[in-house]
Amino acid sequence: QSAPTQPASVSGSPGQSITISCSGTSSDVGAYKYVSWCQQHPGKAPKLMIYDVNNRPSGVSDRFSGSKSGSTASLTISGLQAEDEADYFCFSYTTSDTYVFGTGTKVTVL
Amino acid sequence: EVQLVESGGGLVQPGGSLRLSCTASTFTFNNYWVHWVRQAPGKGLVWVSRISSDGRSNLGYADSVKGRFTISRDNARSTVYLQMNSLRAEDTAVYYCAGGPVNDYWGQGTLVTVSS
Repeated sequence: QSAPTQPASVSGSPGQSITISCSGTSSDVGAYKYVSWCQQHPGKAPKLMIYDVNNRPSGVSDRFSGSKSGSTASLTISGLQAEDEADYFCFSYTTSDTYVFGTGTKVTVL
Repeated sequence: EVQLVESGGGLVQPGGSLRLSCTASTFTFNNYWVHWVRQAPGKGLVWVSRISSDGRSNLGYADSVKGRFTISRDNARSTVYLQMNSLRAEDTAVYYCAGGPVNDYWGQGTLVTVSS
């Protein structure tokens, strides 16, 4: 099972919007609505930001939103803030009854 | 809110074994599936294994650990285990457990180092 591909890095200025893509296949991202996104600050545990493509867990800012088209999922961060600087990983259920994380994206706030 | 705490990591020689534990602060944890996820130093997240709430009906493993790792749970102790046998250098990583209604609870991780 190959990892869905994410851009290695994305950057933006405070207040701007950025979008991170997660390009998978019909066996993972494209197969089900079970795509999640995690945020991870250096040396910290991951934090769930989006689940089931476009749902936010309680307590997560509405500046974070998710979507999916075909085998590509996307995470959009609106009104970029310094605290958003972190690594982001997509996470998908697969047709093999396993799960797979994306390659990860480092977000930099300029 | 459920808090998860991993333990059991450490230094082990290649071919050795370790058992990791993931203990929850509340018994509502028993209603949820739990996953183990690992992260090698400087690398990305990798899914390792999952277990259903009853611990019997649905177990799953990544190909890289199948046949070597075994996941189990003791709901009376609100604990999920990962028995890791035949450890290899490439198993070196921080191991996280994750669970909850939408996998929104994560532990802080426990470091496993496989080295001679």
